[in-house]
Amino acid sequence: GAVVSQHPSWVICKSGTSVKIECRSLDFQATTMFWYRQFPKQSLMLMATSNEGSKATYEQGVEKDKFLINHASLTLSTLTVTSAHPEDSSFYICSAHGGRTSGGTDTQYFGPGTRLTVL
Amino acid sequence: QKEVEQDPGPLSVPEGAIVSLNCTYSNSAFQYFMWYRQYSRKGPELLMYTYSSGNKEDGRFTAQVDKSSKYISLFIRDSQPSDSATYLCAGGSNYKLTFGKGTLLTVNP
Repeated sequence: GAVVSQHPSWVICKSGTSVKIECRSLDFQATTMFWYRQFPKQSLMLMATSNEGSKATYEQGVEKDKFLINHASLTLSTLTVTSAHPEDSSFYICSAHGGRTSGGTDTQYFGPGTRLTVL
Repeated sequence: QKEVEQDPGPLSVPEGAIVSLNCTYSNSAFQYFMWYRQYSRKGPELLMYTYSSGNKEDGRFTAQVDKSSKYISLFIRDSQPSDSATYLCAGGSNYKLTFGKGTLLTVNP
């Protein structure tokens, strides 16, 4: 099956610093990747859609200057949380578009997630 | 009203039981539906996807969609302790997925 990796798996940082999270599709090319945030006992909330070679599309309420997304290649997207604050502490998960099935379903394969704690 | 509603549970069943997980949705634009399984502190794992009303079976799992009532279900037969996880339903259109809150399932040996 399609494999998506994330690095790091967890990170602790001081308030005011920036943190970069990498998302890689290991055995397939993904023109589109997605970044989600998940708070404890809550659902996945889509933050932005990342397209290779173009600017990311952010969901309403997500600050694009705070959450910088770069999709430089067909297998790598990065999310940088700039000037992180304690309220940014969350579980960040990426997914990669795995293509369209014969029935027209767009599949997404998820990475293992990155747990960010901002002190 | 949220686009995808899912009872968060928790749901606790004995090993071997049949499990029924349900979601309702309000967005008529959804073209397909997904079920994901998420273990604690892990990313979601795709279980099943469907794009039309009716049933789809894969081993012990059956996904059911009723577009007329905007109702989607996942049935797990012969449940195992390893099935203990959070199950997320999602509706999709134009690449985007909208998730329910997830149902926490515990299968007791």
